[in-house]
Amino acid sequence: EAGVTQFPSHSVIEKGQTVTLRCDPISGHDNLYWYRRVMGKEIKFLLHFVKESKQDESGMPNNRFLAERTGGTYSTLKVQPAELEDSGVYFCASSQAGVSSYNSPLHFGNGTRLTVT
Amino acid sequence: GESVGLHLPTLSVQEGDNSIINCAYSNSASDYFIWYKQESGKGPQFIIDIRSNMDKRQGQRVTVLLNKTVKHLSLQIAATQPGDSAVYFCAENIGNQGGKLIFGQGTELSVKP
Repeated sequence: EAGVTQFPSHSVIEKGQTVTLRCDPISGHDNLYWYRRVMGKEIKFLLHFVKESKQDESGMPNNRFLAERTGGTYSTLKVQPAELEDSGVYFCASSQAGVSSYNSPLHFGNGTRLTVT
Repeated sequence: GESVGLHLPTLSVQEGDNSIINCAYSNSASDYFIWYKQESGKGPQFIIDIRSNMDKRQGQRVTVLLNKTVKHLSLQIAATQPGDSAVYFCAENIGNQGGKLIFGQGTELSVKP
């Protein structure tokens, strides 16, 4: 089966611009997560979708970040306007069942490396 | 507060030796733990997981040990190979916080041939 795919793999934008990241989860996975790793620090949770609904968005840093999952398939994460501190690697992950279910681990994509200059 | 930390940021081992990567956590409500391996340019890859009602779980060449008394998690890799070189992350899930995983900063494992 195809894994979690993210697009683009790299993005370089100027401060103040807008960027939209896309994630295609594994087919059939209702749970979709966004995480990011900033400045070589730990990977931090951003939000969790179950189908098209936001289950938990407690990790979203501020209102410049908007995540959507229309139709419960792919998801987008928009940053508008981008700031320097938004630079990092944004990971998407999906799972069939909840995160703490055995045999339903999170499958991560390869990430989008975002550089804001 | 919540934290998942690693005792050593880097670990260098000889090929064929066993590796032990350690992780400390502070939230006693955490009930599910996972180890991930991340190679350069790729996303984290699931290795093995364990629930808080267990203290040991084995996979292929890997073993995870959980000591809830001291809130400590470790990953043991047997007969470490050059392909095991990567950054290893532990992550915890708190049962009442849904799908949120809390990751540690990672340990870089380097295997010398």
